[in-house]
Amino acid sequence: QKEVEQNSGPLSVPEGAIASLNCTYSDRGSQSFFWYRQYSGKSPELIMSIYSNGDKEDGRFTAQLNKASQYVSLLIRDSQPSDSATYLCAVTNWSASKIIFGSGTRLSIRP
Amino acid sequence: DAGVTQSPTHLIKTRGQQVTLRCSPKSGHDTVSWYQQALGQGPQFIFQYYEEEERQRGNFPDRFSGHQFPNYSSELNVNALLLGDSALYLCASSLWGNPYSNQPQHFGDGTRLSIL
Repeated sequence: QKEVEQNSGPLSVPEGAIASLNCTYSDRGSQSFFWYRQYSGKSPELIMSIYSNGDKEDGRFTAQLNKASQYVSLLIRDSQPSDSATYLCAVTNWSASKIIFGSGTRLSIRP
Repeated sequence: DAGVTQSPTHLIKTRGQQVTLRCSPKSGHDTVSWYQQALGQGPQFIFQYYEEEERQRGNFPDRFSGHQFPNYSSELNVNALLLGDSALYLCASSLWGNPYSNQPQHFGDGTRLSIL
């Protein structure tokens, strides 16, 4: 079992719709959760961070965390073609000195 | 506000050679982490430096070593290069905190290393 799992995709979503990206993790001691966006050939860009259970909204993005289910998700509302990228989930457990990335989900927004 | 800068952007080496990659952290950051990202994969954590010492290390062999300078910049050295070392090498900076701090990392543009 991978420590951080994401569906590799590609996930195809029509423009204007909601894109839903999911991530599960195995370490119950994980404390911090991040979503990064990575365009092809570029470096990851931090778009959301979440540390406690519930929802966190920032513009068109909403991160959701459920520590009991070891599940974190990212919702993108009103999807735009510029949202087409790979989305990486990252999970940290500082007491265990672990910083783990998932393999990423490729998102494609079709016009 | 200068972000994380890495050099060089691209590098081509042959098997058995040695390589040094460089990173300057974002202004105000004191911690540098290095990652290896193979094609189609997520970044894999190599190690992290703070106060010129290696603080955390991922599952990478001793061929991978690093250094941090007093100005917080860092180098990643890889010896005896293998074909499998071909990847994008990413540097990320952050602020050091207590073990329960929640410091996100800011990445540089990376160095694309190709081994022939």
